[in-house]
Amino acid sequence: GENVEQHPSTLSVQEGDSAVIKCTYSDSASNYFPWYKQELGKRPQLIIDIRSNVGEKKDQRIAVTLNKTAKHFSLHITETQPEDSAVYFCAASIPGGFKTIFGAGTRLFVKA
Amino acid sequence: EADIYQTPRYLVIGTGKKITLECSQTMGHDKMYWYQQDPGMELHLIHYSYGVNSTEKGDLSSESTVSRIRTEHFPLTLESARPSHTSQYLCASSWNTGELFFGEGSRLTVL
Repeated sequence: GENVEQHPSTLSVQEGDSAVIKCTYSDSASNYFPWYKQELGKRPQLIIDIRSNVGEKKDQRIAVTLNKTAKHFSLHITETQPEDSAVYFCAASIPGGFKTIFGAGTRLFVKA
Repeated sequence: EADIYQTPRYLVIGTGKKITLECSQTMGHDKMYWYQQDPGMELHLIHYSYGVNSTEKGDLSSESTVSRIRTEHFPLTLESARPSHTSQYLCASSWNTGELFFGEGSRLTVL
């Protein structure tokens, strides 16, 4: 089955710096790669996603890149702000969106 | 407002009791899921459903069971709760696009 590995488990940055979180997946049939943000005590919410026919996607300060050959994808957050502090989960799913499998999560701290 | 609702939000119960965690969504999604998560930790898929009368076990072994008699309703049941079942249970639903919409979770404590 699909396995998703995520690094680092904890990331601390200064406000205004960039943050990068990396994930690798095992199932080459996976074609949908979402990123979820979970603030303390809240539910996970989608912040950005990418499909396998696209190499990069950007939404304001957030971008995601995908390397299908190497089976890895990354989340980039620029100009970090304290409200970006949260746990971020990458995920992968096979066609149709069934059985989304999550990485272990990255706890991001943005210091003011 | 279209959303996904879970009850109870918090439950403290004694060992051996039967519990049912309720999950309902008003978004018309066919697919529904249960994830188990210790706060801020990994999300483990324990059950999923493609539609009415369809249920499958996820990748994390669980002693819980689920049913899907109506599209909007996907309850999870533990016949005999144990302290090892203490965790947060997150229900989610989706279209074929893949984006998951999560409920606020049910935090279960078994004494």
